[in-house]
Amino acid sequence: AQRVTQPEKLLSVFKGAPVELKCNYSYSGSPELFWYVQYSRQRLQLLLRHISRESIKGFTADLNKGETSFHLKKPFAQEEDSAMYYCALSGYAGNMLTFGGGTRLMVKP
Amino acid sequence: NAGVTQTPKFQVLKTGQSMTLQCAQDMNHNSMYWYRQDPGMGLRLIYYSASEGTTDKGEVPNGYNVSRLNKREFSLRLESAAPSQTSVYFCASSDSRGREVGHFGDGTRLSIL
Repeated sequence: AQRVTQPEKLLSVFKGAPVELKCNYSYSGSPELFWYVQYSRQRLQLLLRHISRESIKGFTADLNKGETSFHLKKPFAQEEDSAMYYCALSGYAGNMLTFGGGTRLMVKP
Repeated sequence: NAGVTQTPKFQVLKTGQSMTLQCAQDMNHNSMYWYRQDPGMGLRLIYYSASEGTTDKGEVPNGYNVSRLNKREFSLRLESAAPSQTSVYFCASSDSRGREVGHFGDGTRLSIL
């Protein structure tokens, strides 16, 4: 079975502080991991995928297979980063994603 | 570009009533999905359709039925609504090239009294 855990429901930081949103997963094979973001009153959208090793809006995430983690990081948080963030895993079954419970990030001025 | 369009945006039902949530996408995607979003539980897959004419159960299919009417449209039906089905429902689509789900609708907020 595949499982995604986001241990923090809420993360509150000040503008300019570093941010790390935690994601741990459980999967026996080689998963693909993703981060999705939902800004207030907007649709859920794909933020980044581990396979691309990209940086989007200053966010990066590295897949650590030893620790089965895919934490999302940003060195300096901005107020516009305030949103709901979901970590998701795709196993072998095509596009069937398993989502974590989500973390609400609040960036205070 | 409309992308993924869901109707209605809000609905209140009484226990036992039935209703159909509509979803359409204009991106010529093969795969379509229905998720429900509950606080603290993220999004859970109800049903999905890998291509026109096929549907498969996801993680939480009980109490729901789906129809992939054509390549554009994928509807979700609650035959006899229950309070446990109060949730926000999201339709999504994907072009199947990658393993991510790329496009989500705005969601339908459904309350069952």
